[in-house]
Amino acid sequence: GNSVTQMEGPVTLSEEAFLTINCTYTATGYPSLFWYVQYPGEGLQLLLKATKADDKGSNKGFEATYRKETTSFHLEKGSVQVSDSAVYFCALLREAAGNKLTFGGGTRVLVKP
Amino acid sequence: DTEVTQTPKHLVMGMTNKKSLKCEQHMGHRAMYWYKQKAKKPPELMFVYSYEKLSINESVPSRFSPECPNSSLLNLHLHALQPEDSALYLCASSHRFGTDPYEQYFGPGTRLTVT
Repeated sequence: GNSVTQMEGPVTLSEEAFLTINCTYTATGYPSLFWYVQYPGEGLQLLLKATKADDKGSNKGFEATYRKETTSFHLEKGSVQVSDSAVYFCALLREAAGNKLTFGGGTRVLVKP
Repeated sequence: DTEVTQTPKHLVMGMTNKKSLKCEQHMGHRAMYWYKQKAKKPPELMFVYSYEKLSINESVPSRFSPECPNSSLLNLHLHALQPEDSALYLCASSHRFGTDPYEQYFGPGTRLTVT
């Protein structure tokens, strides 16, 4: 079956530090990959997506590249802010499975001033 | 506009109460979803509606009853809930449901507490 594995948190950083959150997946075929962010007390927001190998998704300074050879979709940001403190979910969607999202366990990120 | 709205934001109910959660989107999406999220966990799919018809029920107890009155609205009727049903209930929508991997857009959620 499909699965997504994320690095466990919490990840604690200082402001302006570099952020990487690892995400690897298991799926047959060619899934689409997503990063969602959940700020405290809120719902999930779609942060970025990639639909095929070597695609790079980017938004709000965050980037992730779809690497089929390593089945990975790591999230990066060059300089984090306190406002980036949130839980980040990696997820995949396979065509044959309809629109049933498979989520990773989530990674909590805390940015300190 | 990629907004999904949910009401109420918070809900406290007793185990004998009947209440409803409401979700609305005006993006022209024809697929709508209910998820349940417990603390420090990812969302778990409960129901999927496609073109106002129930497509998926993930073996959810009958005390949760979904309804899709039209393509923009999704309700979740609650009756005789248990304290372990306390959670954040998230609604989502996507362009379609089926063979194409359309991204899902989530609402802010309803924080439900069952006493």
